[in-house]
Amino acid sequence: TQLLEQSPQFLSIQEGENLTVYCNSSSVFSSLQWYRQEPGEGPVLLVTVVTGGEVKKLKRLTFQFGDARKDSSLHITAAQPGDTGLYLCAGQISSGSARQLTFGSGTQLTVLP
Amino acid sequence: DTEVTQTPKHLVMGMTNKKSLKCEQHMGHRAMYWYKQKAKKPPELMFVYSYEKLSINESVPSRFSPECPNSSLLNLHLHALQPEDSALYLCASSQEFRDNQPQHFGDGTRLSIL
Repeated sequence: TQLLEQSPQFLSIQEGENLTVYCNSSSVFSSLQWYRQEPGEGPVLLVTVVTGGEVKKLKRLTFQFGDARKDSSLHITAAQPGDTGLYLCAGQISSGSARQLTFGSGTQLTVLP
Repeated sequence: DTEVTQTPKHLVMGMTNKKSLKCEQHMGHRAMYWYKQKAKKPPELMFVYSYEKLSINESVPSRFSPECPNSSLLNLHLHALQPEDSALYLCASSQEFRDNQPQHFGDGTRLSIL
């Protein structure tokens, strides 16, 4: 069972379009991170959200953490080819002693020029 | 440029070879991690070191042997690997192994087993 469900799995859009990637769980997370990974490189941290209802903006990227801290979304405005990559959400479950990251299944985004 | 440095970038080895992957960070982080990643899939945790002690081994086969010589270095010793072990091996670090600690990843070692 995947603790963090990420959707969509694949997304191919034209330059200039908007998109949203979702990360959902039945578990409560103490924090949630979003990463972007390009081919041949490791995941690069984009943002960490820790407070329910929190919204963070990074240029054209808007990240939201759900009020109940069970879900998160990443919205990209006016996507550019440079946004192409594998987007991963990852979080630490609030209950229990486990402190390792649980990763979502990933969203492979392709932005066509 | 990533602050977590991994060497080598690429490694091709036979099933009887012994090799080591290396990871280094100078951010003063006290938690370090090894992950395995297959193409287009999320990273899978292998090992966690906290203050140079092994905290988590996610039931990894003994042909993978981690080592943390000091707080800046993390090694992964490989011996008698199988073709299915071919993958991208990622090292990461965080301030400590506790809540709300984002992890910083290296660019990985692309490992191919012949």
